[in-house]
Amino acid sequence: GAVVSQHPSWVICKSGTSVKIECRSLDFQATTMFWYRQFPKQSLMLMATSNEGSKATYEQGVEKDKFLINHASLTLSTLTVTSAHPEDSSFYICSATGLAGGGDQETQYFGPGTRLLVL
Amino acid sequence: SQKIEQNSEALNIQEGKTATLTCNYTNYSPAYLQWYRQDPGRGPVFLLLIRENEKEKRKERLKVTFDTTLKQSLFHITASQPADSATYLCAPTGRGGYNKLIFGAGTRLAVHP
Repeated sequence: GAVVSQHPSWVICKSGTSVKIECRSLDFQATTMFWYRQFPKQSLMLMATSNEGSKATYEQGVEKDKFLINHASLTLSTLTVTSAHPEDSSFYICSATGLAGGGDQETQYFGPGTRLLVL
Repeated sequence: SQKIEQNSEALNIQEGKTATLTCNYTNYSPAYLQWYRQDPGRGPVFLLLIRENEKEKRKERLKVTFDTTLKQSLFHITASQPADSATYLCAPTGRGGYNKLIFGAGTRLAVHP
């Protein structure tokens, strides 16, 4: 139990285009989903927190108009990187919390990540 | 501001020995603390959660301690195996909010045969 998937696993796009990344909780209802970004040899940096049906809460320094988050249902959240630029190239990882497989409700279960390369 | 410190240097140990990783935090009082494992190019995998009222927690070869006075957690892997080689992340989590995780930089563990 407690499986989170992401799609796509990697994407290459041209500068100025928008990219959408999907995060799904496959076997549990995720009350909250989180989006992180990780640069090489660095730790995960939280970008935003979202709850189903409400607006995401962004961390300081993260542009909400550039990184659009939609939490449409209890099993799906999407992150759209708008007008992507090379400096947005990174590893994007989502996580979800909820009552999953009898585990603690506070535990975050992570997706496998999406590697974005903007040319 | 909240600060989390993990051994920045890689930890190299011999197979069969016990690996001990340290996580220190300052400027807040987490209600619980989680440990994750991350392999290169992959998302973190949850290992253990320990609450502030728990001193120790075990799961198979893993053991976590949580000392709220020292503001420190220790993560032990006994009888280590080369397959345990990975980066281990700690995430002390505060109260309220939506269980937002703030991660330490992680400690890279290498277990040699």
